[in-house]
Amino acid sequence: DQQVKQNSPSLSVQEGRISILNCDYTNSMFDYFLWYKKYPAEGPTFLISISSIKDKNEDGRFTVFLNKSAKHLSLHIVPSQPGDSAVYFCAASDGGGADGLTFGKGTHLIIQP
Amino acid sequence: DAGVIQSPRHEVTEMGQEVTLRCKPISGHNSLFWYRQTMMRGLELLIYFNNNVPIDDSGMPEDRFSAKMPNASFSTLKIQPSEPRDSAVYFCASQPSRTGELFFGEGSRLTVL
Repeated sequence: DQQVKQNSPSLSVQEGRISILNCDYTNSMFDYFLWYKKYPAEGPTFLISISSIKDKNEDGRFTVFLNKSAKHLSLHIVPSQPGDSAVYFCAASDGGGADGLTFGKGTHLIIQP
Repeated sequence: DAGVIQSPRHEVTEMGQEVTLRCKPISGHNSLFWYRQTMMRGLELLIYFNNNVPIDDSGMPEDRFSAKMPNASFSTLKIQPSEPRDSAVYFCASQPSRTGELFFGEGSRLTVL
């Protein structure tokens, strides 16, 4: 039973446009959410996080939005660049990350020129 | 600074053989996690340690899997005997404290024939 779900296995976006990656979760105890980015043959790297006390966190071109009532979060990338092409994993934790992270299956983002 | 170091990067072995994967966490990090990535299940947490002590091994699939952390700078994940369904990418990650982001190694790709 997947507690973190990324329902889009892949997403194709034109360079310069906005990329929106979505994530849903089922565990209401989750209080800390992260996005990781993964290139082929590399490990996932941390991108951005958000605590459940916030509904938005922004870092440069990346913004994460959290809707607790809907148990939904999204990652916005604007403008999208070719180097953003990667697999993006949504992750969540119920202790700030103390007991590890529960990951979604990932969304493969492809930025087209 | 060196990141999380995993070895080997690639391992091809025959069914029934013993496999040992190794991990050196980032110096000063107190928690270490072993994850397995497959197409079907995504990133699954297998086991994690805090201050070298195993905290939760409920994700370890079977008794064929074992993990140790003899000191703060080294951990192993052993599979004995290995089976074709163990084929996956195994990631090690470390965490500087009991909360916050995880830092991943580049992974060990295991193929069991």
